[in-house]
Amino acid sequence: NAGVTQTPKFRVLKTGQSMTLLCAQDMNHEYMYWYRQDPGMGLRLIHYSVGEGTTAKGEVPDGYNVSRLKKQNFLLGLESAAPSQTSVYFCASSFGTSGRKEDTQYFGPGTRLTVL
Amino acid sequence: GESVGLHLPTLSVQEGDNSIINCAYSNSASDYFIWYKQESGKGPQFIIDIRSNMDKRQGQRVTVLLNKTVKHLSLQIAATQPGDSAVYFCAEKWSGAGSYQLTFGKGTKLSVIP
Repeated sequence: NAGVTQTPKFRVLKTGQSMTLLCAQDMNHEYMYWYRQDPGMGLRLIHYSVGEGTTAKGEVPDGYNVSRLKKQNFLLGLESAAPSQTSVYFCASSFGTSGRKEDTQYFGPGTRLTVL
Repeated sequence: GESVGLHLPTLSVQEGDNSIINCAYSNSASDYFIWYKQESGKGPQFIIDIRSNMDKRQGQRVTVLLNKTVKHLSLQIAATQPGDSAVYFCAEKWSGAGSYQLTFGKGTKLSVIP
């Protein structure tokens, strides 16, 4: 059981370039999330998905797009990268969101993105 | 909007001592709280959670206390070990229908002195 995996682990982009971050989970979780983590800011939710084929905006969605074509995968896209998107990106997944222990969010190891 | 915050950004403790990490939350509707541990270069890892109908919950070497009157959450780590060195985040959530978002605090860095 690998849990939540993310690829790539590191990436450097130039302003205006595009890229896609891949998140995969093997726990059969319904819910998946993308966060960004910046120094002194904590974790902020970018987008989330409550099931295959669904996506929704979180707290800081601008400049990002997501897709959930398969239940186990959640992709985060940057169409035109900006220096403000330099951050560490974390994917997470959970069974549900009712607040029970089994609905706890499990996190991947993160992707460190630098936009020059 | 309302957000979760932390009283102390850094905390240094001697190995073997007990650690207490504090968190203040402002959303009175939140009914579920989680503590996460994040080691350097890794993603946050679940430690312990508590629902608003409880005041205290104990795990292995960790205890979470919830004071709803003053909207305060704390994580107590007994006999702190070097492996406990990490950043600790509290998170809050309202478990009502249609609510999906966890709100995280900024984190407290715990350093254990051998």
